[in-house]
Amino acid sequence: DGGITQSPKYLFRKEGQNVTLSCEQNLNHDAMYWYRQDPGQGLRLIYYSQIVNDFQKGDIAEGYSVSREKKESFPLTVTSAQKNPTAFYLCASSTLGEIAKNIQYFGAGTRLSVL
Amino acid sequence: GQNIDQPTEMTATEGAIVQINCTYQTSGFNGLFWYQQHAGEAPTFLSYNVLDGLEEKGRFSSFLSRSKGYSYLLLKELQMKDSASYLCAALDSNYQLIWGAGTKLIIKP
Repeated sequence: DGGITQSPKYLFRKEGQNVTLSCEQNLNHDAMYWYRQDPGQGLRLIYYSQIVNDFQKGDIAEGYSVSREKKESFPLTVTSAQKNPTAFYLCASSTLGEIAKNIQYFGAGTRLSVL
Repeated sequence: GQNIDQPTEMTATEGAIVQINCTYQTSGFNGLFWYQQHAGEAPTFLSYNVLDGLEEKGRFSSFLSRSKGYSYLLLKELQMKDSASYLCAALDSNYQLIWGAGTKLIIKP
């Protein structure tokens, strides 16, 4: 089955610790995205990538880092510089061929909490 | 600035019809999306409008008026499984999605 897999489903971070959220897709999509979702707010874009070894900052990139070494994988690291990391993190992907529609397909999400 | 407005919460009765409104202000416009998100789950794509008018897809329809910066999602014959949040998102001139905060729809028997 094709889809987007995020892991882990739940993650706890200690103060001063970096944590990495995994996102893998087997849809052969070129573009991948990371969003943060907080209660009562719309999805906010953290980073996105349209091609391997290239990525761009979204609206709230501070305190986060990403890599895109393979087309299938787009891991997100929440660094200790992110002072308020508690949120629901969603990974999405889309084809560039559909960019005018930009239909994004989402993973099941990772819920990050601070200990 | 860019902004998407939609009601925070709506309640409807099983079997009825409900309309969820969305207004948008974006730098350029390349289409309007509706997604459904059940609690704690991923958003799933429902519809896309780029031209004015109504797009019907089974029990769900979506309408767009570009001149008014307005869209609505119409759900007919409501079922309990339709209880979810409905997210409105507009594609701006840079082909980036601007998301609303979502409308939580509660269906009562």
